[in-house]
Amino acid sequence: GQQLNQSPQSMFIQEGEDVSMNCTSSSIFNTWLWYKQDPGEGPVLLIALYKAGELTSNGRLTAQFGITRKDSFLNISASIPSDVGIYFCAGRFNNNDMRFGAGTRLTVKP
Amino acid sequence: DVKVTQSSRYLVKRTGEKVFLECVQDMDHENMFWYRQDPGLGLRLIYFSYDVKMKEKGDIPEGYSVSREKKERFSLILESASTNQTSMYLCASSFGNSPLHFGNGTRLTVT
Repeated sequence: GQQLNQSPQSMFIQEGEDVSMNCTSSSIFNTWLWYKQDPGEGPVLLIALYKAGELTSNGRLTAQFGITRKDSFLNISASIPSDVGIYFCAGRFNNNDMRFGAGTRLTVKP
Repeated sequence: DVKVTQSSRYLVKRTGEKVFLECVQDMDHENMFWYRQDPGLGLRLIYFSYDVKMKEKGDIPEGYSVSREKKERFSLILESASTNQTSMYLCASSFGNSPLHFGNGTRLTVT
């Protein structure tokens, strides 16, 4: 099955900077999800998007469900050291067909 | 809060061994999933189950089987472990269209 195209693969930023990452697909999805994985842990849900065009915030995180239903982005504002980790996008068309991006590895320098 | 528990955090097995990875969830979710995670490849679906005794192949089922005898438990079986099955294995569960909840993963090394 096709995976999503997630970029960038990795980011090295200074504490306080804003971060932006995105996912694209040739397929449309009904749901876009963003997860974060800390080292040695499983992915944890950050934001879920259910409608095309939807813009949702969770603290310093903002994500949008693209109008075409084929893309989504995640922004992190004013990064802090604990933002370090791997961020995954996931797109779902139906209950059991979920596709994941390869992840964006974020490093935040104090 | 949903809890998905994977029985082992780290496993080391020999080539040819039969390996069982266990996953239990405590929220009565009907859907359960097994993924493997490899650098640069993201998460790839091995098998999933939407009910007791039901199973469906994911994208990479070869070399694996699963068992779901009870709703809360979903086991991944490597019939004859090989070195290319060295990976991080993640179990997840969900209810209906809700997002997946993941366990902490089992890092399997096959020597």
